[in-house]
Amino acid sequence: KNEVEQSPQNLTAQEGEFITINCSYSVGISALHWLQQHPGGGIVSLFMLSSGKKKHGRLIATINIQEKHSSLHITASHPRDSAVYICAVRLGNYGGSQGNLIFGKGTKLSVKP
Amino acid sequence: SAVISQKPSRDICQRGTSLTIQCQVDSQVTMMFWYRQQPGQSLTLIATANQGSEATYESGFVIDKFPISRPNLTFSTLTVSNMSPEDSSIYLCSVKGRYYNEQFFGPGTRLTVL
Repeated sequence: KNEVEQSPQNLTAQEGEFITINCSYSVGISALHWLQQHPGGGIVSLFMLSSGKKKHGRLIATINIQEKHSSLHITASHPRDSAVYICAVRLGNYGGSQGNLIFGKGTKLSVKP
Repeated sequence: SAVISQKPSRDICQRGTSLTIQCQVDSQVTMMFWYRQQPGQSLTLIATANQGSEATYESGFVIDKFPISRPNLTFSTLTVSNMSPEDSSIYLCSVKGRYYNEQFFGPGTRLTVL
């Protein structure tokens, strides 16, 4: 079983829809990251969470430490939101190399006009 | 935040050859990392690039295959040696930010090996 699981793997939405991407993890963490990867491969960091909820524009990220679960929400989705969204966790005890992140496989989002 | 650039952005190479990827950061950073993302897979850490000393490699990755240099606090290179089609991946440079748990990623290098 992977330490970081994302769902769904693929998601197609109509413009304007509310979107939720889920991330579950099985290890103790110090932080969770939501990343956005565009078709060219480059990655942009959207959020870093250790508790609670963060909001940036139309994006909202929440985390429940007890349930080891995080969600990324996109309100009023737009075709430019089409990308792969990746959940990554940083181990709580820095197991392995310091600074190592464990990544989910990503959720490919396609928003149709 | 740190701004990271990588060269080349993409390349198509022949089997048996080597490619060196450059990573430049716009500010001095203590920790730099190299990741690989094979098609359909999640990112995997190759190594941590250490300034002034040998890189620290993750299990499954060796220096002979992925030699890394880090001559200063803003620059690093990753070489993919004796390439095979299995090396076709996106290679990403990443740096630790100034604040706790902060991390930034470069634009990636998309490598195709024929």
